[in-house]
Amino acid sequence: DSGVTQTPKHLITATGQRVTLRCSPRSGDLSVYWYQQSLDQGLQFLIQYYNGEERAKGNILERFSAQQFPDLHSELNLSSLELGDSALYFCASSVGAGNNEQFFGPGTRLTVL
Amino acid sequence: TQLLEQSPQFLSIQEGENLTVYCNSSSVFSSLQWYRQEPGEGPVLLVTVVTGGEVKKLKRLTFQFGDARKDSSLHITAAQTGDTGLYLCAGRISSGSARQLTFGSGTQLTVLP
Repeated sequence: DSGVTQTPKHLITATGQRVTLRCSPRSGDLSVYWYQQSLDQGLQFLIQYYNGEERAKGNILERFSAQQFPDLHSELNLSSLELGDSALYFCASSVGAGNNEQFFGPGTRLTVL
Repeated sequence: TQLLEQSPQFLSIQEGENLTVYCNSSSVFSSLQWYRQEPGEGPVLLVTVVTGGEVKKLKRLTFQFGDARKDSSLHITAAQTGDTGLYLCAGRISSGSARQLTFGSGTQLTVLP
């Protein structure tokens, strides 16, 4: 158990819909990272938040957005969903904003039908 | 095109055999990490290497960082069924402002009893 929690574990929805994935970091960690893992693209970095502020952006689509709240939990919002958005979405957390070890949550499996 | 290429993509061996998986890139990395991911879980960090030529051992696992910091290998001695999983390498690029983790495509290892 990494100490990072993600909900829901599974999510099935239809194309065009919008969903919200939630992540609670390890106690004391200020950074939250979101990753997408698909069979054809592997594990791709989407976005990082540090202490409530966006810190770094990766391969995140404009249809996707994230935020980190004052209690440090984070949400990833995916809108206008397409079949290709089906993937595992992982959240990771770390103490600092830089090269600290990242601890991954168990992931949310999103299926878009 | 993956920045980090891992080989082989799939590996199935008998318990007790030795194996090596590789992680290669044309880019120089300031550090490189190896993770293991099991079904239904997020990646778990095994080791971080930062110095060219560095060798680290973790029980039956030996990790090596290439002299030029562009490649790495993971060697497992006397594999056990518990070693089964997806092995991912991840690196932080040495130059530029992008210091986020870039993951390789992974090696799916199956150790048969």
